[in-house]
Amino acid sequence: GQNIDQPTEMTATEGAIVQINCTYQTSGFNGLFWYQQHAGEAPTFLSYNVLDGLEEKGRFSSFLSRSKGYSYLLLKELQMKDSASYLCAVTIRYGGSQGNLIFGKGTKLSVKP
Amino acid sequence: SQTIHQWPATLVQPVGSPLSLECTVEGTSNPNLYWYRQAAGRGLQLLFYSVGIGQISSEVPQNLSASRPQDRQFILSSKKLLLSDSGFYLCAWSVRITEAFFGQGTRLTVV
Repeated sequence: GQNIDQPTEMTATEGAIVQINCTYQTSGFNGLFWYQQHAGEAPTFLSYNVLDGLEEKGRFSSFLSRSKGYSYLLLKELQMKDSASYLCAVTIRYGGSQGNLIFGKGTKLSVKP
Repeated sequence: SQTIHQWPATLVQPVGSPLSLECTVEGTSNPNLYWYRQAAGRGLQLLFYSVGIGQISSEVPQNLSASRPQDRQFILSSKKLLLSDSGFYLCAWSVRITEAFFGQGTRLTVV
């Protein structure tokens, strides 16, 4: 089966740095996505990692270790608007079909002043 | 540029009534299309995915069905809604394995 784990909730202070971890056990792993979802809204794409290492995109960075089944999302210079749920998702290959996304339950991040 | 349209945004339906949610994608060809459901306090659950017209795969047994009558159209249906069908329904598309984008979602409340 497929299993993706993330912390349920995290709290951080405005201006600080926060790291949201994601571990996965899957078969047919292709790559890993991070999405941001504000309450009541659809998820928006943040990053995609397929190779080991760190991908940096502005204040957000994402890291992947395929051998360890581990990823993290790093948010720097936190702003109040970063309060949202952060979803880790892996892409799975079924019988040649690419791109099926399997999601974790998400981490609800609260940024405090 | 590619866009995805999903409607309606909100829906309140009585138990036992039928359901039809529609999703269309513009600006791309032969996308993979997905229906997800997000119940309150839970993660996104993949319901159906489609790699082409008329090709539907179901991830979980349920009260719902999906159809893809055209390349860029994906429909989620039910003949008789249950209370447990309430949730936030999201359509998504991808062409390359490195990207997947969501529609704005439909919040369904079954009463």
